[in-house]
Amino acid sequence: EAGVAQSPRYKIIEKRQSVAFWCNPISGHATLYWYQQILGQGPKLLIQFQNNGVVDDSQLPKDRFSAERLKGVDSTLKIQPAKLEDSAVYLCASSLGSGTHRNTIYFGEGSWLTVV
Amino acid sequence: KQEVTQIPAALSVPEGENLVLNCSFTDSAIYNLQWFRQDPGKGLTSLLLIQSSQREQTSGRLNASLDKSSGRSTLYIAASQPGDSATYLCAVYTGGFKTIFGAGTRLFVKA
Repeated sequence: EAGVAQSPRYKIIEKRQSVAFWCNPISGHATLYWYQQILGQGPKLLIQFQNNGVVDDSQLPKDRFSAERLKGVDSTLKIQPAKLEDSAVYLCASSLGSGTHRNTIYFGEGSWLTVV
Repeated sequence: KQEVTQIPAALSVPEGENLVLNCSFTDSAIYNLQWFRQDPGKGLTSLLLIQSSQREQTSGRLNASLDKSSGRSTLYIAASQPGDSATYLCAVYTGGFKTIFGAGTRLFVKA
């Protein structure tokens, strides 16, 4: 079974530039998550989709971050304009559903962003 | 507000030692708790998922326990090996579609 795919793996941009990350979840997984993980910290949820609808984006800095999940499958996360503090790993994850018994979350390898 | 804490932040042990990693959470109203492993430069790999009605789960040399009433979980690793070196994170699912992560414990097993 293919895992969660993310690209690009690494990106270096200057502040005020824009960047986009792509995620393809495990086939059949209804729930897709984007997490931000700053070095030395646990992942912080940015946005969670159930199929193609947003169920939680309370921690997404909406003035600069946006995300969409077209047709309930792939997703993109965009940052525009980037700030130095956005340097982090952006982890995409998916799960079958958000129900308790199906809530094992599978993560991709992450997209490492450095803003200089 | 649910907070998840993992102590210690880092741990170094000799190969072969049995060890325990700790996870505590402030709100006992959780649906499940997961333990993950994260290798440097990699994403997270789910190790064990414990439902709120369960007391423990086992997988190979790993055993995770859950005490909801006291807000604690432990991950027991038997006969540690250098390949176990990684960061271990716990996460609680609180319903309302929220999964809250701890900051992790960095484990180093010396050969």
